[in-house]
Amino acid sequence: AQSVTQPDIHITVSEGASLELRCNYSYGATPYLFWYVQSPGQGLQLLLKYFSGDTLVQGIKGFEAEFKRSQSSFNLRKPSVHWSDAAEYFCAVGAGWEYGNKLVFGAGTILRVKS
Amino acid sequence: ETGVTQSPTHLIKTRGQQVTLRCSSQSGHNTVSWYQQALGQGPQFIFQYYREEENGRGNFPPRFSGLQFPNYSSELNVNALELDDSALYLCASSLEHTGELFFGEGSRLTVL
Repeated sequence: AQSVTQPDIHITVSEGASLELRCNYSYGATPYLFWYVQSPGQGLQLLLKYFSGDTLVQGIKGFEAEFKRSQSSFNLRKPSVHWSDAAEYFCAVGAGWEYGNKLVFGAGTILRVKS
Repeated sequence: ETGVTQSPTHLIKTRGQQVTLRCSSQSGHNTVSWYQQALGQGPQFIFQYYREEENGRGNFPPRFSGLQFPNYSSELNVNALELDDSALYLCASSLEHTGELFFGEGSRLTVL
């Protein structure tokens, strides 16, 4: 069965500082990996995804993530955080269409940005 | 391009009642999934519909049921509501054979 662990419940960074949000997954085959962002009272917005190929993927809003198979990780990074990045971030793993397209989400990491 | 829309945005029910939530998929998308997000948790997969049939189901009891219509819109029905059903219910649409989901803003259900 798939599972996702986001070890950090809350992270606080200063505006302009770099950011790394951790994500570890468990899945027997090559996973589909996603990062979503959720602002208060809103739905989920896709930041980036990894299906195959280059293990460093670029997303929207200046975010990137690196797939490391040996560490079962898919950490999200941003070189310089803006106050508008404050939100909750979810990592998710999917098995693909053949398995009902189900996504398994982590519990989320709340990002606070201090000025 | 019209995104995923859900209705109602908020509703309050009492224990034992029934609720229907609605979702219109993004233009061109033929697959709809439903997720439950309890407060402080990540979303949990309820089920997915493709070509008007259930195409995958998570660990939810049969009182959670759904429909997909020929125009690809969908309904989530929950019978015999329990207090623990209080949550944000998210609908997501996608194209068949792709893993990328596009989410709506959700319907927040409160059960008293």
